[in-house]
Amino acid sequence: GENVEQHPSTLSVQEGDSAVIKCTYSDSASNYFPWYKQELGKRPQLIIDIRSNVGEKKDQRIAVTLNKTAKHFSLHITETQPEDSAVYFCAPQTGANNLFFGTGTRLTVIP
Amino acid sequence: DSGVTQTPKHLITATGQRVTLRCSPRSGDLSVYWYQQSLDQGLQFLIQYYNGEERAKGNILERFSAQQFPDLHSELNLSSLELGDSALYFCASSVALLGGGDAEAFFGQGTRLTVV
Repeated sequence: GENVEQHPSTLSVQEGDSAVIKCTYSDSASNYFPWYKQELGKRPQLIIDIRSNVGEKKDQRIAVTLNKTAKHFSLHITETQPEDSAVYFCAPQTGANNLFFGTGTRLTVIP
Repeated sequence: DSGVTQTPKHLITATGQRVTLRCSPRSGDLSVYWYQQSLDQGLQFLIQYYNGEERAKGNILERFSAQQFPDLHSELNLSSLELGDSALYFCASSVALLGGGDAEAFFGQGTRLTVV
């Protein structure tokens, strides 16, 4: 299966600062790159995704960038707010649709 | 509400026992995935079913098994339970596009299993 790594595993930022989380994958056939957010005690939910024919996608304060050559994609959160505090998971996918999640990054936004 | 229903929400049982967790996917979703999430841990992929057939296996113990029924609901059976099996078990469903394509996963609220 896909070997997926996320860095960092924990991240603390001051409110208003930016946060970047990187996801590295092994399967060059991966063609769909989503990020999920899991708030404490809740279910994971998709927050942004990108497909292999696009290098960057932005949705308000969050963005995802993809480097297929290097096999990594990153989640960028700007102007962080306390409600951004959560665990974030990446889940790069191939056509087989297996859903292996990264190890997760716990983001804490300090007010 | 994601449209994915898991029952029960909470389950407390003793070591050595067997339990069954149930998942009803979103209407129209053919793929069901099961995950185990221990305290402060990531989402450990257990198994995937697509339209009634096993599609992929992760780190699922031999004491665990699952199936997907003709109406597409799925059950995860955990037997000979140990203290270390205590965790939050999530089910997710997606529209699996054979041969490629994106597939957002929609998660249920999870079943919290406590083994005492």
